[in-house]
Amino acid sequence: QKEVEQDPGPLSVPEGAIVSLNCTYSNSAFQYFMWYRQYSRKGPELLMYTYSSGNKEDGRFTAQVDKSSKYISLFIRDSQPSDSATYLCAMTGGGSNYKLTFGKGTLLTVNP
Amino acid sequence: DAMVIQNPRYQVTQFGKPVTLSCSQTLNHNVMYWYQQKSSQAPKLLFHYYDKDFNNEADTPDNFQSRRPNTSFCFLDIRSPGLGDAAMYLCATSREKAGGTQYFGPGTRLLVL
Repeated sequence: QKEVEQDPGPLSVPEGAIVSLNCTYSNSAFQYFMWYRQYSRKGPELLMYTYSSGNKEDGRFTAQVDKSSKYISLFIRDSQPSDSATYLCAMTGGGSNYKLTFGKGTLLTVNP
Repeated sequence: DAMVIQNPRYQVTQFGKPVTLSCSQTLNHNVMYWYQQKSSQAPKLLFHYYDKDFNNEADTPDNFQSRRPNTSFCFLDIRSPGLGDAAMYLCATSREKAGGTQYFGPGTRLLVL
């Protein structure tokens, strides 16, 4: 079993839809959870950073962490064509377990 | 704006011809990372520096080396590029290692002919 599993998609939605992106993980030492957005041929851009379980909202984006289920989600409300990108989840532990472990990324297309 | 800058954005080299990619940061972060990312794959960590302390991943080929002459700059040297080294190379920084959010540069796309 891979440490982080992420459905690669592709996911295609109409403009205005609510998008749900998900990752599951197996390492219970992970404490810090991130979502990155990566446009084609560009570097990943940090979208959301959360620590431990719970929800965090930033504009149209909500990150959710459920440590008991080892499951994280990113919700995008009122999706826009400019949201079309690959979304990578990433996570890391504390102390010596500091390296980022990425999911493979989900390719999202929002159609006008 | 504080940022991570990579040059060049695109690099074409010949099989076996050494190439150097550069990264600079204005964030004054302690840690700098180099990742390799191939198409539709997650970034793969090659190595990182915590200040001057160099850490190599166990599966990073010997062909890849890095230098960090000061806090702001870090270089990736590929001594003898092979066709399999064609990829996007990403530089990232973080203030600290544990729990540190990593900020990525725009990447350098390397093509090996």
